[in-house]
Amino acid sequence: EDKVVQSPLSLVVHEGDTVTLNCSYEVTNFRSLLWYKQEKKAPTFLFMLTSSGIEKKSGRLSSILDKKELFSILNITATQTGDSAVYLCAVEGSSGSARQLTFGSGTQLTVLP
Amino acid sequence: GAGVSQTPSNKVTEKGKYVELRCDPISGHTALYWYRQSLGQGPEFLIYFQGTGAADDSGLPNDRFFAVRPEGSVSTLKIQRTERGDSAVYLCASSLRGSSTDTQYFGPGTRLTVL
Repeated sequence: EDKVVQSPLSLVVHEGDTVTLNCSYEVTNFRSLLWYKQEKKAPTFLFMLTSSGIEKKSGRLSSILDKKELFSILNITATQTGDSAVYLCAVEGSSGSARQLTFGSGTQLTVLP
Repeated sequence: GAGVSQTPSNKVTEKGKYVELRCDPISGHTALYWYRQSLGQGPEFLIYFQGTGAADDSGLPNDRFFAVRPEGSVSTLKIQRTERGDSAVYLCASSLRGSSTDTQYFGPGTRLTVL
């Protein structure tokens, strides 16, 4: 059974701080790892990572995957109050269908002004 | 449409009743997914459609849950004889072709409360 563990469960920082969110996984026949941001209801897509060691970057957010050690990190620099959300990590393997995502419980990030 | 839409946004029902939850995927997306998210947890996979057919329904918890997508676009998740444990946010997602390089885009969900 595929498994995703995220840490920390919650994090409170002040605007301008840099944060690192962690995601470790166990998956049969890894295909991809995805990061989503969930503010109210709909998770919004951030990154998809398939290759080890290649950093994906979008503005102040970046992410990297280590397929040997089975983990990924999501970095957010110069945090803003609008970054407050739950950040979800998910993996896609082939233990079920090719398109079944297994999610972690998320990291609740709160950015204080 | 511009994104995945789901109706209703909230549904309150009594134990034992039947409910239907609707999902409108992004126009042109052939793959559609249903997930269920309980408080403080990540979404859990329920079922995946490729076109009109259910390609994988291994996440449906029991035979009270059923989903259809008769014309390959809109999907309906049906729950019979609802139980209090069915209370959760039901999320729908769609992707262009359903290949492993496609991103799944999520709707805002339906919050189901079973009293």
